[in-house]
Amino acid sequence: DVKVTQSSRYLVKRTGEKVFLECVQDMDHENMFWYRQDPGLGLRLIYFSYDVKMKEKGDIPEGYSVSREKKERFSLILESASTNQTSMYLCASTSLREQFFGPGTRLTVL
Amino acid sequence: KQEVTQIPAALSVPEGENLVLNCSFTDSAIYNLQWFRQDPGKGLTSLLLIQSSQREQTSGRLNASLDKSSGRSTLYIAASQPGDSATYLCASSPGGYNKLIFGAGTRLAVHP
Repeated sequence: DVKVTQSSRYLVKRTGEKVFLECVQDMDHENMFWYRQDPGLGLRLIYFSYDVKMKEKGDIPEGYSVSREKKERFSLILESASTNQTSMYLCASTSLREQFFGPGTRLTVL
Repeated sequence: KQEVTQIPAALSVPEGENLVLNCSFTDSAIYNLQWFRQDPGKGLTSLLLIQSSQREQTSGRLNASLDKSSGRSTLYIAASQPGDSATYLCASSPGGYNKLIFGAGTRLAVHP
């Protein structure tokens, strides 16, 4: 079975802090994604990566950056966290067919 | 731009009922369509994947159909159980890197 893991289930940070969210998949998938999910707005794509060191912006990349140094690991970085980045963050990977999600990280920025 | 709509937004049914969740999409040029389940505060669990060349997929009490020409997919749940209570999301993929476009979901409550 495909397994996608995220480094934290819950995270509380302060405004202005640099925040790292880590995602690891174990199925050698090429493509990995970061979404955020907010009530009333659904899932929105922040960034995705289609290979090591390759990335593309999604629909809402502002305030975020990403890093993919190894195929299995995709990191989301909040350079300077703000309260409007309080959200559920979901990572996913895909084989170009089925997409598999991690358990999510609930981030609160105070 | 592809838009995905799910109807109804919420559904409450007694245990044992058969039910249908609807998903519509505006652009029929999809690569595949995927149904997910999400429990409160959790990630998404993949239920069924229908590729563009397929008409339906089945897994246990779940059956998903795809009609590209009409831009519709349905998820049929047979003999619903309280454990089926969750939010169900459909998502279409236009191909390429398999970026998914999600509907807003249907929140299902099955009461004993």
